[in-house]
Amino acid sequence: GIQVEQSPPDLILQEGANSTLRCNFSDSVNNLQWFHQNPWGQLINLFYIPSGTKQNGRLSATTVATERYSLLYISSSQTTDSGVYFCAAGRDLTGGGNKLTFGTGTQLKVEL
Amino acid sequence: EPEVTQTPSHQVTQMGQEVILRCVPISNHLYFYWYRQILGQKVEFLVSFYNNEISEKSEIFDDQFSVERPDGSNFTLKIRSTKLEDSAMYFCASSGALGQKPYEQYFGPGTRLTVT
Repeated sequence: GIQVEQSPPDLILQEGANSTLRCNFSDSVNNLQWFHQNPWGQLINLFYIPSGTKQNGRLSATTVATERYSLLYISSSQTTDSGVYFCAAGRDLTGGGNKLTFGTGTQLKVEL
Repeated sequence: EPEVTQTPSHQVTQMGQEVILRCVPISNHLYFYWYRQILGQKVEFLVSFYNNEISEKSEIFDDQFSVERPDGSNFTLKIRSTKLEDSAMYFCASSGALGQKPYEQYFGPGTRLTVT
């Protein structure tokens, strides 16, 4: 199956700093999603981005499918950005949907 | 905006008991999934369901687990005889309306299952 690796595993930032989180995946995919897990454990859908670039406020993401990686950019970080960021990748082989394989996450802490 | 809902938000059960976790997927979606996350670990795929049958399952999804879509709106995960190691957050997800590709998945808020 698809392997997904994320880096760095941990990141501490001062409020206002920018950061880049990376996700490498081992095979071609038709689904690549980024999630933020909040302190209550909920998975907040940030981006569906199997290729190309998208932006949403202070967050943006880029996936280079041919090189099998995706980047999540956080600009002007705020304390509310703290939490775990997961990348998940999937590929529909059977026509019955695509299971997502999650990475191990990046634990982000933003300090005042 | 349509969303996936799950009930209950937290369930405590004794080892050996049966539990049913409930999900209401987005109403026009056709593909349904269950995932779990043991505390401090990554999210793991359990099962996908399409056209009233399981389309794929992981090795975690053994005979103790079953899924059902009993009516047009609910999607359930049953654990027949819970073990301590079943304690985890369980997420339901759905994707793919008619005519759409099934790829982008929308997750519910999760049910935290604690087995004592």
